[in-house]
Amino acid sequence: KAGVTQTPRYLIKTRGQQVTLSCSPISGHRSVSWYQQTPGQGLQFLFEYFSETQRNKGNFPGRFSGRQFSNSRSEMNVSTLELGDSALYLCASSLGQGKYTGELFFGEGSRLTVL
Amino acid sequence: GNSVTQMEGPVTLSEEAFLTINCTYTATGYPSLFWYVQYPGEGLQLLLKATKADDKGSNKGFEATYRKETTSFHLEKGSVQVSDSAVYFCALPYFSGSARQLTFGSGTQLTVLP
Repeated sequence: KAGVTQTPRYLIKTRGQQVTLSCSPISGHRSVSWYQQTPGQGLQFLFEYFSETQRNKGNFPGRFSGRQFSNSRSEMNVSTLELGDSALYLCASSLGQGKYTGELFFGEGSRLTVL
Repeated sequence: GNSVTQMEGPVTLSEEAFLTINCTYTATGYPSLFWYVQYPGEGLQLLLKATKADDKGSNKGFEATYRKETTSFHLEKGSVQVSDSAVYFCALPYFSGSARQLTFGSGTQLTVLP
């Protein structure tokens, strides 16, 4: 069974640009969550999508957005990039329904550097 | 809301040493508790979990016991290996309506020296 796939793995942008990151969940998983990981703030929850609907959103500015497609693939977008957006962005998938197990399956992340 | 306080790192140990990483939590009720591990250059993966008080989760020689009296879920391993070098995260779930997410601790970097 293929794992969670994130693309691109590495990217460099300049301030003011925008970026789109992609995540393909494990087959059959309908929930996709996004986390931002930085040395200073640790792991912070961005948002969760289930069946193309955003179910929950973390405390991030409106520059951070996401969406989910009918095949459960998800994208997140960051507009007007700031230096502080430099981070590892992790995507995680799960079944998203039924008895909650708490197990998330993470991708290897997309490392964004903003210059 | 739910929160997790995790032992600050980094932690450096020699091979075969005993490991303890402390984790305490604040939550309503008795949620499941988790330890995730992140090896260099990889995403996080579930290491072990406990679903109710007094449960002991175990995997790959690691253990953690869910103690409601002290609201703790400390991670232990009797004899660490170089391959255990990684960042360890304690986590608990947060529910809001139908939404589900995990709240993670700050992470503890473990380095094991040969």
